[in-house]
Amino acid sequence: KNEVEQSPQNLTAQEGEFITINCSYSVGISALHWLQQHPGGGIVSLFMLSSGKKKHGRLIATINIQEKHSSLHITASHPRDSAVYICAVVGGGSNYKLTFGKGTLLTVNP
Amino acid sequence: DTGVSQNPRHKITKRGQNVTFRCDPISEHNRLYWYRQTLGQGPEFLTYFQNEAQLEKSRLLSDRFSAERPKGSFSTLEIQRTEQGDSAMYLCASSLRAGVRTGELFFGEGSRLTVL
Repeated sequence: KNEVEQSPQNLTAQEGEFITINCSYSVGISALHWLQQHPGGGIVSLFMLSSGKKKHGRLIATINIQEKHSSLHITASHPRDSAVYICAVVGGGSNYKLTFGKGTLLTVNP
Repeated sequence: DTGVSQNPRHKITKRGQNVTFRCDPISEHNRLYWYRQTLGQGPEFLTYFQNEAQLEKSRLLSDRFSAERPKGSFSTLEIQRTEQGDSAMYLCASSLRAGVRTGELFFGEGSRLTVL
């Protein structure tokens, strides 16, 4: 079993829909990252969380440390949001190593 | 452009050949990371540098792999005697010292290797 599990693996939505991507992890962590990867490879950091909730534009990320679970929400989704969204955790004893989930492929249709 | 730069972006080689990838991090970042990503998978940690010192290597990094960061600036990742299983995207990222705990982690566009 992977240390970081994401669901769903694939998600197709219509423009304007509210999107939720989930991430569960099995180890103690000091931080959790949400990343966006577009076709071609480049990865962009969206959020780093250690507790609570963060919001940036139409993106919202939450984390529940006790339940070892995080969610990424996209409000009013748009075709340009189509990408792979990756959850990655920093182990509690580390300050350098990220362990990544496999990613969720989001396709937003116009 | 002052982001993380990787070269070449694509490399096709025959099995048994050596390949080298270069990563130029953001200039003031003292930490540099290499990751490998195969199709349909998330990235996997390979190694990281703090300045010129290589502080950690994954067991994924076999003896055929070597990484350097001379002078603490750019880094190279060399793969000797390539195998088809080495085909992957090789990603570089850089950060200031506490990057993975602060969110300030910046990735390059990656170098895609295809071994025939």
